[in-house]
Amino acid sequence: GQNIDQPTEMTATEGAIVQINCTYQTSGFNGLFWYQQHAGEAPTFLSYNVLDGLEEKGRFSSFLSRSKGYSYLLLKELQMKDSASYLCAVRDHLYGNNRLAFGKGNQVVVIP
Amino acid sequence: GAGVSQTPSNKVTEKGKYVELRCDPISGHTALYWYRQSLGQGPEFLIYFQGTGAADDSGLPNDRFFAVRPEGSVSTLKIQRTERGDSAMYLCASSPCIRGDRGSLNLQPGELFFGEGSRLTVL
Repeated sequence: GQNIDQPTEMTATEGAIVQINCTYQTSGFNGLFWYQQHAGEAPTFLSYNVLDGLEEKGRFSSFLSRSKGYSYLLLKELQMKDSASYLCAVRDHLYGNNRLAFGKGNQVVVIP
Repeated sequence: GAGVSQTPSNKVTEKGKYVELRCDPISGHTALYWYRQSLGQGPEFLIYFQGTGAADDSGLPNDRFFAVRPEGSVSTLKIQRTERGDSAMYLCASSPCIRGDRGSLNLQPGELFFGEGSRLTVL
């Protein structure tokens, strides 16, 4: 199976930086995805990592260490609209490479 | 429309009834997924279609759950003899698949496009 672990909730101030961690255990790792999900809405894609290192995309960056089974999502210059759940998902080629296993998500609450 | 469309958006039913949830994927997307999401949890994989066939149905929890995609576009998730534990948000997603090395079909290193979901409540 695949075990994906994320902390459940954090609160941060508008304009701050927040780091959301994700650890995973999987036998045939083939990519890690981060999704954002606002309450009552569909998840939307944020980033993808398959090689070690940092991927930067505007205010959001995602880091991967395959040897440690670890990723983080960094949110900079937080805005109120960033209040959402952030889902980490792993793709495993042993499961046919065609589905994602999601963690529980980390709820980020941005306060003024 | 441009995105993945799911109907109904909300469904309330009684225990023991039969339910159908519909998903209309993005035009041209060959891959279609059903996920189930309970409150405070991440999406849980149910089934994956490549074209008309169910390529992976290992996530379906039991034989009360069934899904079809007869023409390779619209899909219907069917739940028989509903139970209170079936209450959840049912998410559909689609993706364009590309053919990778050695003829394997892989997700693009990008994204699943999710619909808004169908919230099922079983009383």
